[in-house]
Order: sequence, then structure tokens, then C-alpha cells
Amino acid sequence: AQSVAQPEDQVNVAEGNPLTVKCTYSVSGNPYLFWYVQYPNRGLQFLLKYITGDNLVKGSYGFEAEFNKSQTSFHLKKPSALVSDSALYFCAVRPPASGTYKYIFGTGTRLKVLA
Amino acid sequence: KAGVTQTPRYLIKTRGQQVTLSCSPISGHRSVSWYQQTPGQGLQFLFEYFSETQRNKGNFPGRFSGRQFSNSRSEMNVSTLELGDSALYLCASSSNRDGRYNSPLHFGNGTRLTVT
Repeated sequence: AQSVAQPEDQVNVAEGNPLTVKCTYSVSGNPYLFWYVQYPNRGLQFLLKYITGDNLVKGSYGFEAEFNKSQTSFHLKKPSALVSDSALYFCAVRPPASGTYKYIFGTGTRLKVLA
Repeated sequence: KAGVTQTPRYLIKTRGQQVTLSCSPISGHRSVSWYQQTPGQGLQFLFEYFSETQRNKGNFPGRFSGRQFSNSRSEMNVSTLELGDSALYLCASSSNRDGRYNSPLHFGNGTRLTVT
């Protein structure tokens, strides 16, 4: 079965330190990969995507993600965390050739940036 | 450009009732998807509409239905509500101009449904 795993329910990091939120996937072929962020009582907000090309993709608010095909991972990173980055982060995968916007989402990782 | 608008923001219903949720996509977006978000199950795909046609459906019972109008606005309906239907229902739209599905989904703020 196709799946997306976010192994950490919560990640704590001090403000100013680098952060990493992990995502691995089990989808055959070359899926499209996305990261979204959710603030309390809000919908999901798009951060970045990997479709093809460079393995390091840059997105909004200083976030970037590294695609690793051999490890089927797409980890979200930021060089210097801000308190305002505290939120719920979701990794999502769109299986290839599915002909639809049916995404498979991870269970989410709560990022807490400590001042 | 206005974002995806979902109404109402909050709903409280009783078991056995039915409910209709509304979604207005970003202007020009013809694809509308619906997701259910719960603490236990995370985000689950409900269905997707494009040009008034349902293109895909998730693993939900027939009590969950939807439709899309000619102006791309969409509604979803849940009949005979159960306690387990309490969730945040998210609508998302996308342009998908090139037909390759690589443009991201844009989500509304959701409708929080509470069934008592």
C-alpha cells in the first residue's frame, strides 16, 4: 500500500538553530512531493514542492527540502528556526500517473521552536 | 486574489441530521478537492471534482457526497450524521492548467463540524 511516514510526532528546536522535519514515502514510480504547514484553526498552506530536477528545492519563509530518491525521503529543513515557525507540518505525496489530486498525507509533525 | 473560501466555519449538528458544506475556489481554478481531517486519522481524501464531474472518490461511505457547479463552486453533503463524522473538512482548489497536476493545492480554512 502507498504511504507517507512522518516518524516524529513533535520536534523541538531552539530559536536560531537549524531544523529538520522528516518524511519518507512508499510510492512506486516518481511521485510529486509537497510540504504544507498548518497554523491553529487554519487550513493547510503550501510551502514547497518537488516535481523533478534539482534535489534541493527552496520554498516559502526560508524553508527548503531535500529529495533523496534512494532513501525515498523528502526532509524539510530550515537553517535558522524562528518562534513563528511553530506549527503543524504535513508531507504529502501525489502518486504518479494517478490523474487526480488525491494526495497521500503524512500524519503531521508538530514543530515547536523555543525562544 | 481571494483565496479558497469555505462556509460556514463552524457547525454543530445532532446525530442523524444532514449537513451541507460550501466551498468557493480561487478564481480560475476548476479543480476542487475535499479532505477530512481528524486527530486520529489525519487527512483523508474525500473526493475531487473538475468541470462539474467527480474525478475520484476516497474510501468513505455513501453518506458523503458532493457536487460542483458550473462556476466551480462546490458543496459536500453528509447525511445521517454519526459522532465519528466530527472533523475539520477542508476544501482545496488548483489550477492544473497544464493537466499534469504539478501545481499545488490551495486550501481553505475549513469547516469544523461537531456532531453531538
